[in-house]
Amino acid sequence: AQSVTQPDIHITVSEGASLELRCNYSYGATPYLFWYVQSPGQGLQLLLKYFSGDTLVQGIKGFEAEFKRSQSSFNLRKPSVHWSDAAEYFCAVGPGGSQGNLIFGKGTKLSVKP
Amino acid sequence: EAGVTQSPTHLIKTRGQQATLRCSPISGHTSVYWYQQALGLGLQFLLWYDEGEERNRGNFPPRFSGRQFPNYSSELNVNALELEDSALYLCASTPRTYGYTFGSGTRLTVV
Repeated sequence: AQSVTQPDIHITVSEGASLELRCNYSYGATPYLFWYVQSPGQGLQLLLKYFSGDTLVQGIKGFEAEFKRSQSSFNLRKPSVHWSDAAEYFCAVGPGGSQGNLIFGKGTKLSVKP
Repeated sequence: EAGVTQSPTHLIKTRGQQATLRCSPISGHTSVYWYQQALGLGLQFLLWYDEGEERNRGNFPPRFSGRQFPNYSSELNVNALELEDSALYLCASTPRTYGYTFGSGTRLTVV
């Protein structure tokens, strides 16, 4: 079955500390992978996406993610967290090579301590 | 460039009533996706429309339906509302290649 697992429901980090949000997926074919961020009461904003090529992907707001096929993972990282990064983060997977609906993880809520 | 527009922002309905939610995609985007975001359940895929046709449907009962108009805007209809239909309904549009852009959603409350 196709699925996305985000093992951490809630993470709290101090401002300035590094961040890693975990994402594991189960998908039968070559997946397209995405990270989205959602601020309270808002829609989702795309942070970055991976289709092919270099397995380390750079995104907006200083985020990056690394695709590891052997581990079926696509973890999101940021070297130094800002208070404005507090939000909910969603990992998603979609069918490679064509359009289609994305499958989302249940999200990780990030809190940032001053 | 205008983003994906959803209306209304908030909607309060009584159990058993019908709700209609609307989505205007980004100009040039031909596909529209609908997702339900209920508390604690993450985003659940509802419907995908492309070029006026329903392309795929998630695991939701038939009382969830919709359509896409010739201008690519879309509406989602939920009949016989139940309390558990209370959720944020998100619409996303894409061009022919990948690139979801989400609207801010419609918050549906069923009382």
